[in-house]
Amino acid sequence: KNEVEQSPQNLTAQEGEFITINCSYSVGISALHWLQQHPGGGIVSLFMLSSGKKKHGRLIATINIQEKHSSLHITASHPRDSAVYICAANDSGAGSYQLTFGKGTKLSVIP
Amino acid sequence: DTGVSQNPRHKITKRGQNVTFRCDPISEHNRLYWYRQTLGQGPEFLTYFQNEAQLEKSRLLSDRFSAERPKGSFSTLEIQRTEQGDSAMYLCASSLATGNSDEQYFGPGTRLTVT
Repeated sequence: KNEVEQSPQNLTAQEGEFITINCSYSVGISALHWLQQHPGGGIVSLFMLSSGKKKHGRLIATINIQEKHSSLHITASHPRDSAVYICAANDSGAGSYQLTFGKGTKLSVIP
Repeated sequence: DTGVSQNPRHKITKRGQNVTFRCDPISEHNRLYWYRQTLGQGPEFLTYFQNEAQLEKSRLLSDRFSAERPKGSFSTLEIQRTEQGDSAMYLCASSLATGNSDEQYFGPGTRLTVT
């Protein structure tokens, strides 16, 4: 079973700062997901990636398959970015589509 | 709104009662997933369906839990004889899977409180 670890658990940043959230996993994956969860529970899928780098607006996600590590970056952070960010791994075992989730990183961006 | 919907959004029940939650996936999506999230933790996989077939079940899904997707569209998750430990957010997700992995779209969740 994959073990997904995120760091830091909590992060407070000033508006405008560059933010990095890290995710590591223990066994091979077919894809890694970054999710955003706002207070109240709703989850939004930000990225799904299996190699390289993806960018959407101020968000950038990278993955290093050899090192079993992914990062989520937020440039020019804003208070509306305050949320819990969760990474989740799709194990590469044939026929298994379940996600293994990290515990999340709670981000607070202060004006 | 063509996203994943879940009903009810909140449910408060007394220990020992049965509860049923419903998930309506995005209409063309063939896969549907149920997850449970307790406070301060990431979601945990419970079960998933490909069309109407339930293909995987977690060991977390005790015999008090049952999930169905009778026509390959909406799904229900029933918990019988609820216990306080069942209090959690129950999340549903759907996807249109291609290849070996898929992008899952999550619903807003049903928050269950067992008193």
